[in-house]
Amino acid sequence: DIQMTQSPASLSASLGETVTIECRASEDIYNGLAWYQQKPGKSPQLLIYNANSLHTGVPSRFSGSGSGTQYSLKINSLQSEDVASYFCQQYYDYPWTFGGGTKLELK
Amino acid sequence: QVSLKESGPGILQPFQTLSLTCSFSGFSLGTSNMGVGWIRQTSGKGLEYLATIWWDDDKYFNPSLNSRLTVSKDTSNNQAFLKITSVDTADTGTYYCTASGADYFDYWGQGVMVTVSS
Repeated sequence: DIQMTQSPASLSASLGETVTIECRASEDIYNGLAWYQQKPGKSPQLLIYNANSLHTGVPSRFSGSGSGTQYSLKINSLQSEDVASYFCQQYYDYPWTFGGGTKLELK
Repeated sequence: QVSLKESGPGILQPFQTLSLTCSFSGFSLGTSNMGVGWIRQTSGKGLEYLATIWWDDDKYFNPSLNSRLTVSKDTSNNQAFLKITSVDTADTGTYYCTASGADYFDYWGQGVMVTVSS
């Protein structure tokens, strides 16, 4: 199975700040990567697919980038509603696997 | 508007079979390239992909649970089903069904909590 490693596991940031979350795959996943946001007590919601494509309705302050084994999710101008856990998922090879998550809190 | 909702027993005993239903609207499993995926979230393993059933009845199972999983669908009634045999405490968690038009999970249900306890 492809292992997905996210960093950091948690972070604290201020409103308006830019935040970056990293995801590393154990092998090249050729941009087969999605990012999800899970707010407390809610189900995960798709943010980004194909490493850098924004899902319908997702604010443009979210962006994804990367290639090969290294990917990142950037949140510009952090808003209070962005407090959540974020997960990456690879879908290059079965079984699809998730990262362990990054918990984002407000400072 | 796509909507999914999982339903299940809530609590069951070790060695029983877990049966979950996903009722959905806003898309059809009769539409080419659509699928319903199942994912669970446990304290032990985080988010774990379980299985997908596709519009053409193709299925994929996570090999780590392959022999214990069954997926099926009722296209006419917009439902999909997941069964896990011989559950144990490690199967305790929240189970989600998802709508997939590709290999990621476009839309998620609210989740259903399942507890395995004697």
